[in-house]
Amino acid sequence: EAGVTQFPSHSVIEKGQTVTLRCDPISGHDNLYWYRRVMGKEIKFLLHFVKESKQDESGMPNNRFLAERTGGTYSTLKVQPAELEDSGVYFCASSQGGWNEQFFGPGTRLTVL
Amino acid sequence: DAKTTQPNSMESNEEEPVHLPCNHSTISGTDYIHWYRQLPSQGPEYVIHGLTSNVNNRMASLAIAEDRKSSTLILHRATLRDAAVYYCILRDEGGGTYKYIFGTGTRLKVLA
Repeated sequence: EAGVTQFPSHSVIEKGQTVTLRCDPISGHDNLYWYRRVMGKEIKFLLHFVKESKQDESGMPNNRFLAERTGGTYSTLKVQPAELEDSGVYFCASSQGGWNEQFFGPGTRLTVL
Repeated sequence: DAKTTQPNSMESNEEEPVHLPCNHSTISGTDYIHWYRQLPSQGPEYVIHGLTSNVNNRMASLAIAEDRKSSTLILHRATLRDAAVYYCILRDEGGGTYKYIFGTGTRLKVLA
């Protein structure tokens, strides 16, 4: 069974540009989460989808970040415009039920120059 | 903020048991204790979780203190592949939110 996949694995962009990260959860998992680790700090929660609905977006840092999950399958996280402080590793995770263990993807390393 | 306290780092010899401690003195009745680990260049990986009773699975054992203010993750025979950062996380499963709040974790080094 395929795990959570993320694309791209690494993205290097200039400040002010736009980047879109993609996450494909494990098939059948209704719950999808985004987390990130920036500047060597702890991994921080960004938001939680249940199917296509945003269940909890309390961790989204500001309105430069837009997450979508149209159709309740894969999700995208767009950063527009990117700032230097957005550099870090963005993780996606999915779970069958909200209370189940979360399966994490390998992450996308974002570098903003 | 994370509600757990863990040592920054620990070392273990290969094939010996490892006991990773975690303090969570402010734990509430609906908090489950979850352990994840993160191997180099990978996303976090589920290890084990529990509420009150000790738990065992193929990866590890979780020993939970009677007052639930601390717990210990036990790796019965450490291997080099167990070298990772181990996170002890409390998750409130009474409020409908299932996010994890990660702390700094314990970096485990396994010596050959």
